[in-house]
Amino acid sequence: KNQVEQSPQSLIILEGKNCTLQCNYTVSPFSNLRWYKQDTGRGPVSLTIMTFSENTKSNGRYTATLDADTKQSSLHITASQLSDSASYICVVSARGAQKLVFGQGTRLTINP
Amino acid sequence: GAVVSQHPSRVICKSGTSVKIECRSLDFQATTMFWYRQFPKQSLMLMATSNEGSKATYEQGVEKDKFLINHASLTLSTLTVTSAHPEDSSFYICSASNRLAGGGRAQYFGPGTRLTVL
Repeated sequence: KNQVEQSPQSLIILEGKNCTLQCNYTVSPFSNLRWYKQDTGRGPVSLTIMTFSENTKSNGRYTATLDADTKQSSLHITASQLSDSASYICVVSARGAQKLVFGQGTRLTINP
Repeated sequence: GAVVSQHPSRVICKSGTSVKIECRSLDFQATTMFWYRQFPKQSLMLMATSNEGSKATYEQGVEKDKFLINHASLTLSTLTVTSAHPEDSSFYICSASNRLAGGGRAQYFGPGTRLTVL
């Protein structure tokens, strides 16, 4: 069964600190993996997208990694800001499939 | 990146009425659009896949006669919640799909519509 699991479920850190969010998936055959940021009451916004051949992708203070062998991905946030408080969702696409497989998300809270 | 809009952003209606939500891809043609529902503190749940010019494909447990989907053009899909009830109150999000340069597809999400049924 295609699944995406994220950890931790929630995370609270102080402003300025770094953090890493984890995503494990069993989706096969793999096409691509995206990390989305979703602010409360808003739609998800894409942060990074990685295909099978890519093992790292950066977008400003966000850096995503992908290990296609172990089927794991991480999202590292550097020098966190209050505006980083949001849910971060890992989404995996299977090759040839229209539907996406969503993780449950990590709720990140940045405290001043 | 690609832009997807939704209208309205929030709507409050009385129980028993119907509500239409529009989803538009603003700068690309989307042959496929998706409708999701999201309850508080939960992830997005796919309701249906909408292909331009054909009938939508609904996920198990989603009533097609209650959630009417029309995808009349490559840039517009509508979701109509018929005879809405309080339990239909939720955050409805659409997404539009296009092909990536290197193959595969990407989905771009709209900003969502908050539906409250009184």
